[in-house]
Amino acid sequence: DIQMTQSPSTLSASVGDRVTITCRASQSISSWLAWYQQKPGKAPKFLIYKASSLESGVPSRFSGSGSGTEFTLTINSLQPDDFATYYCQQYTSYPGTFGQGTKVEIK
Amino acid sequence: EVQLVESGGGLVKPGGSLRLSCGASGFTFSNAWMSWVRQAPGKGLEWVGRIKSKSDDGTTLYAAPVKGRFTISRDDSENTLYLQMNSLKTEDTAVYYCTTHRTGYFQHWGQGTLVTVSS
Repeated sequence: DIQMTQSPSTLSASVGDRVTITCRASQSISSWLAWYQQKPGKAPKFLIYKASSLESGVPSRFSGSGSGTEFTLTINSLQPDDFATYYCQQYTSYPGTFGQGTKVEIK
Repeated sequence: EVQLVESGGGLVKPGGSLRLSCGASGFTFSNAWMSWVRQAPGKGLEWVGRIKSKSDDGTTLYAAPVKGRFTISRDDSENTLYLQMNSLKTEDTAVYYCTTHRTGYFQHWGQGTLVTVSS
C-alpha cells in the first residue's frame, strides 16, 4: 500500500495567517491527490482533487499544489471556520490511503 | 442537494454481525460508484470498500482488514447502499461513513453511524 505522511501533525496559527500543510507519498502518485477538512464530530468535507483543483463552493483561500510524491495544502488568510483537521488521500491505486491528519488549532 | 444518511450502527459483541444502510438522494444513485470509509475513535480515515454502478459491472473491492468478512451491496430501486459486517472484531469499532466514490476520491459524505464492537 502507498503510505501518506502529513506534516506537521499539529499546527498553531492565528486568524489571518497563511498556513501550509505538507503531504508526502511513499511512491509517486502523479497528481492523484485529494484533500479533506474535518471538524470534531462531523463528517469530512471534500476540498480539493487532482492535487490542485478546487471543489465547487470551496473558498478560494484554499489551494493545493504538488505532484509526484510531495504536495501542499495552503490556506491564505486563515478564518475562524478553518480550524479543523485536514487529511490528504491518494487515489492512484487501491486502497486509497489517507494521511494521518494535520490539526490546525488556534494559537 | 446530495444527501447520504447512514443507519444501523450500534453495539455488537465480537464475532457478531451488523448491517449498515445508507439512503441516498439528490443525485442519480444508480450511476454512482459508492464507498464506505471508517474512522476509529480518535483516529484517522480508512477506506473500507467500494461498489461500482451496475452499468460499470457492479463489482466490489475491499480493504485487506475487512476482506472476506464485509460485503457491500446496493439496491438501486431503493437508492440504498448496504454494508453487511460479519465476524466483527473489536478493531472494527468506528464511525462508518457512506460516500460517493468519484474516480477514487470521496466527494459526498453521510453523517456517519457508530459501530461499537465490545463484549
